[in-house]
Amino acid sequence: DQQVKQNSPSLSVQEGRISILNCDYTNSMFDYFLWYKKYPAEGPTFLISISSIKDKNEDGRFTVFLNKSAKHLSLHIVPSQPGDSAVYFCAASVQGAQKLVFGQGTRLTINP
Amino acid sequence: GAGVSQSPRYKVTKRGQDVALRCDPISGHVSLYWYRQALGQGPEFLTYFNYEAQQDKSGLPNDRFSAERPEGSISTLTIQRTEQRDSAMYRCASSGGGNTIYFGEGSWLTVV
Repeated sequence: DQQVKQNSPSLSVQEGRISILNCDYTNSMFDYFLWYKKYPAEGPTFLISISSIKDKNEDGRFTVFLNKSAKHLSLHIVPSQPGDSAVYFCAASVQGAQKLVFGQGTRLTINP
Repeated sequence: GAGVSQSPRYKVTKRGQDVALRCDPISGHVSLYWYRQALGQGPEFLTYFNYEAQQDKSGLPNDRFSAERPEGSISTLTIQRTEQRDSAMYRCASSGGGNTIYFGEGSWLTVV
């Protein structure tokens, strides 16, 4: 039972364009969402998060949007840069539950 | 240390042997987590500690898996009588109290 789903295993975007990574969840109890970025041979690193009381959170080139009614969140990267090429994981938790449920990941490739 | 440190980075063991994986969290971090990640999947929660107390072990697959953190710092994940299906990346993470957790580089376990 996959509670957090990233249905696109891979995405290819041209440098300078917008990258949009999507994530869906099924558990309505989730109220905190995060995106992690992972380079080869490294552990996932925290990128950006959003609480369910918000529908948007922005940090530089990265913006996360949350649509609670659709149980959907997305990560926008604009403009995309070659260094953004990595695997991106969406994760969700229930506040205070202390454990994260991850999606399968999406491999983003930024083409020069 | 500066980040979460795990050892060994790579472990090959014969089926039936016991394995111990070590995690040294970020200094001062109260919470320590163990996740398992199969190829092409996101990390999957195993267990976590606050200080030396194991708060949730609901993700441990069976009773061959155990974890301890006796002094509230370094943790060991032990797998007894390993099986081939135990082969995976085992990731440790720590946090200072918020929902953001910081991952180590992981320990690759291969059971042959």
